[in-house]
Amino acid sequence: GAGVSQSPSNKVTEKGKDVELRCDPISGHTALYWYRQSLGQGLEFLIYFQGNSAPDKSGLPSDRFSAERTGGSVSTLTIQRTQQEDSAVYLCASSLGPSIMNTEAFFGQGTRLTVV
Amino acid sequence: GQNIDQPTEMTATEGAIVQINCTYQTSGFNGLFWYQQHAGEAPTFLSYNVLDGLEEKGRFSSFLSRSKGYSYLLLKELQMKDSASYLCAVNPGGSYIPTFGRGTSLIVHP
Repeated sequence: GAGVSQSPSNKVTEKGKDVELRCDPISGHTALYWYRQSLGQGLEFLIYFQGNSAPDKSGLPSDRFSAERTGGSVSTLTIQRTQQEDSAVYLCASSLGPSIMNTEAFFGQGTRLTVV
Repeated sequence: GQNIDQPTEMTATEGAIVQINCTYQTSGFNGLFWYQQHAGEAPTFLSYNVLDGLEEKGRFSSFLSRSKGYSYLLLKELQMKDSASYLCAVNPGGSYIPTFGRGTSLIVHP
């Protein structure tokens, strides 16, 4: 596709349920990032993929959060046993490679997750 | 840890010039990005600086001083559509993962 695509755009879930968020990066982009943005806050880094491997998972807030990437393309972020504090906009971004020398990241529209 | 500071909110008048500052303390430095984010939309790339000095791109310019850990985004001839959040992001040394500040909400009024 022309840009980074995320689905669903909105998700309302009950506390304790599991959710899966999907990201389709720009074709040919090897680097993929997940960020979380709460109301009035900056972008909080969650996880970074280079190809299918995740060299940096340091931002995942707890072991309820996991992510995978298959075929060097689509990525899924899974949140198990959701809590109200997980409510946020989850943004995915991709870039041609590691962000070196003006290789900017392109962001998707995000998934707005609301845990009730 | 990494620390990036920006003012929370700024207001300016249509047609004027505004400067949004960003200071950072990071373990090393591999470049600084500015992004624009309209409410409810994805951030979009504005500029990238890795060397000291000014980068100009139309109405927008970005400046970097690595020795001072300082950057600014300069917006000229402000338009109402420039009302948005402006995010400063830094690639720390040894990392290619942009670390973002909280963003500056710019309100342009007539």
